[in-house]
Amino acid sequence: AQTVTQSQPEMSVQEAETVTLSCTYDTSENNYYLFWYKQPPSRQMILVIRQEAYKQQNATENRFSVNFQKAAKSFSLKISDSQLGDTAMYFCAFMKLRNANTGNQFYFGTGTSLTVIP
Amino acid sequence: GAVVSQHPSWVICKSGTSVKIECRSLDFQATTMFWYRQFPKQSLMLMATSNEGSKATYEQGVEKDKFLINHASLTLSTLTVTSAHPEDSSFYICSARALAGGPNTQYFGPGTRLTVL
Repeated sequence: AQTVTQSQPEMSVQEAETVTLSCTYDTSENNYYLFWYKQPPSRQMILVIRQEAYKQQNATENRFSVNFQKAAKSFSLKISDSQLGDTAMYFCAFMKLRNANTGNQFYFGTGTSLTVIP
Repeated sequence: GAVVSQHPSWVICKSGTSVKIECRSLDFQATTMFWYRQFPKQSLMLMATSNEGSKATYEQGVEKDKFLINHASLTLSTLTVTSAHPEDSSFYICSARALAGGPNTQYFGPGTRLTVL
């Protein structure tokens, strides 16, 4: 079974500063995807960034970047130049690859509530 | 971009009644849709996976007779909460996997808040 652990239930950061959210996972799979989703107060899940396990290069999307350590099964999210709109719940998610014609199930962590302080 | 809608966004019902929630992929065809349940300040818990034209696969502990899922077309899946009780009150989220595109192409709906009185 796959498990995803987010050990930081709540975090806060000053506006314009940098914050790192941690995520570890456990799997016996070799090929999989990892994701960070943001859930603002509207409750809409928004994809922040994703990483393919076979890629060694860390994914980057503007102010968001990840530190993917496959051997350590760690997948942290770094938010640079934090903005007030970054205040949200952040969920780390794991997806193993299955048959292309079947569903690819997500396994979510418990979430980290991030507050950006003005 | 790909959009998934849910209807209704918020429903209040009396205990014992049934409630149907719709999940639609608006601009793409979805081979697979997922239904999640989320309690306040908690993570998303997968309830079931539905594939178009076949029976849904339920996660352990989810009553399939209580939570009826139908995926009748490539753009619509429905979740019916039968004989709802207050403990069924929760936030229900669906997601859809696109027919075309890579295996990591999954889009989330905005969620439905169910309150059972």
